[in-house]
Amino acid sequence: DTGVSQDPRHKITKRGQNVTFRCDPISEHNRLYWYRQTLGQGPEFLTYFQNEAQLEKSRLLSDRFSAERPKGSFSTLEIQRTEQGDSAMYLCASDPGGSGNTIYFGEGSWLTVV
Amino acid sequence: DQQVKQNSPSLSVQEGRISILNCDYTNSMFDYFLWYKKYPAEGPTFLISISSIKDKNEDGRFTVFLNKSAKHLSLHIVPSQPGDSAVYFCAVLRDDKIIFGKGTRLHILP
Repeated sequence: DTGVSQDPRHKITKRGQNVTFRCDPISEHNRLYWYRQTLGQGPEFLTYFQNEAQLEKSRLLSDRFSAERPKGSFSTLEIQRTEQGDSAMYLCASDPGGSGNTIYFGEGSWLTVV
Repeated sequence: DQQVKQNSPSLSVQEGRISILNCDYTNSMFDYFLWYKKYPAEGPTFLISISSIKDKNEDGRFTVFLNKSAKHLSLHIVPSQPGDSAVYFCAVLRDDKIIFGKGTRLHILP
């Protein structure tokens, strides 16, 4: 499978714990995006990388969130001291740098904070 | 501040008929619009797009219409098929990122 891969697909955690999600983009895609989707909403932009450089962060990305893409390939999204409001689907997408119709999304990582 | 608005949370259409999904946007500077389709437990998949220099783009059963003066776009699916049942997101490309609407859930009835 050569699509965008996300791991884990589902995570249940207790409030206050830290969680980390991993995204493996399509090979040689320079751009990598993280989005969050909650019930009844569309995906909301969190941050994106051009190779290893983090180019933009949404104000949705509080200081409890950190994203990295150390070698310009896979990326991690860590949430520290999780809160119930963090419960959502976290979507990763990659793009070779095209015009929007070349952005491919992974299947998402579901987070439930109890 | 919602930049892309989909005011109908859901829509039911008989199989074989036309499905019309609507979307409004706020910024007349937006110049590239997209529709994504999403099944449960999957990520969104690109469906069709349109540039602001056009008013119509067609791809098989899917046609997107753009009315710049009204800041409105619509997606037409004809004929509608059972596999079209999904959530459809209207989106714009802005500053290298996609901004999504809240989505419209389309139910195709047998």
